[in-house]
Amino acid sequence: DAMVIQNPRYQVTQFGKPVTLSCSQTLNHNVMYWYQQKSSQAPKLLFHYYDKDFNNEADTPDNFQSRRPNTSFCFLDIRSPGLGDAAMYLCATTGQGSIMGKNIQYFGAGTRLSVL
Amino acid sequence: SQQGEEDPQALSIQEGENATMNCSYKTSINNLQWYRQNSGRGLVHLILIRSNEREKHSGRLRVTLDTSKKSSSLLITASRAADTASYFCATVAIFIGNEKLTFGTGTRLTIIP
Repeated sequence: DAMVIQNPRYQVTQFGKPVTLSCSQTLNHNVMYWYQQKSSQAPKLLFHYYDKDFNNEADTPDNFQSRRPNTSFCFLDIRSPGLGDAAMYLCATTGQGSIMGKNIQYFGAGTRLSVL
Repeated sequence: SQQGEEDPQALSIQEGENATMNCSYKTSINNLQWYRQNSGRGLVHLILIRSNEREKHSGRLRVTLDTSKKSSSLLITASRAADTASYFCATVAIFIGNEKLTFGTGTRLTIIP
């Protein structure tokens, strides 16, 4: 059973046209993450939510925004996609494991974004 | 960048052989984890080793950790074609309340049937 679900799996957008990627989870985890992964590279953390608290990485461009309306859903908004934003976008979750020092993350299957 | 390094970047072996991947990192850690990523998919957690542990086993997986050298290795024994994937180590830094993983650069493993 899928626990972290990303939609769509493939997204094509035009240069400069806003796009939203979605992630939902059935794990009731309080932490949700968005990563960008380019070909043959490691996932790069863009930002994460600890409950409703938003934590942006210092080098995440302003072009990337996120919303978390409730525990189950999190959205990644790319306001004006450029060619360099074509990548796989991965959503992940973790529970209160950080207190117990575990931090195991559960990933969705990803959304591959193409920018034309 | 705090990103770890993995070697080799790519590894091809015959089915049935053992595969060893190495990971080095830079900061003091709470734990180190290994993840697998099949092509075009998300990452799947394989195994976690805490900073006070030196070795851990899970099925055909064996992980070692040397905190003095800031390095870890992942051994997959008796490899199968289904083990073909990219493997990433990821570390959790030592301060309380940290929820972030820092990923290594990854090893792309190909098992030749």
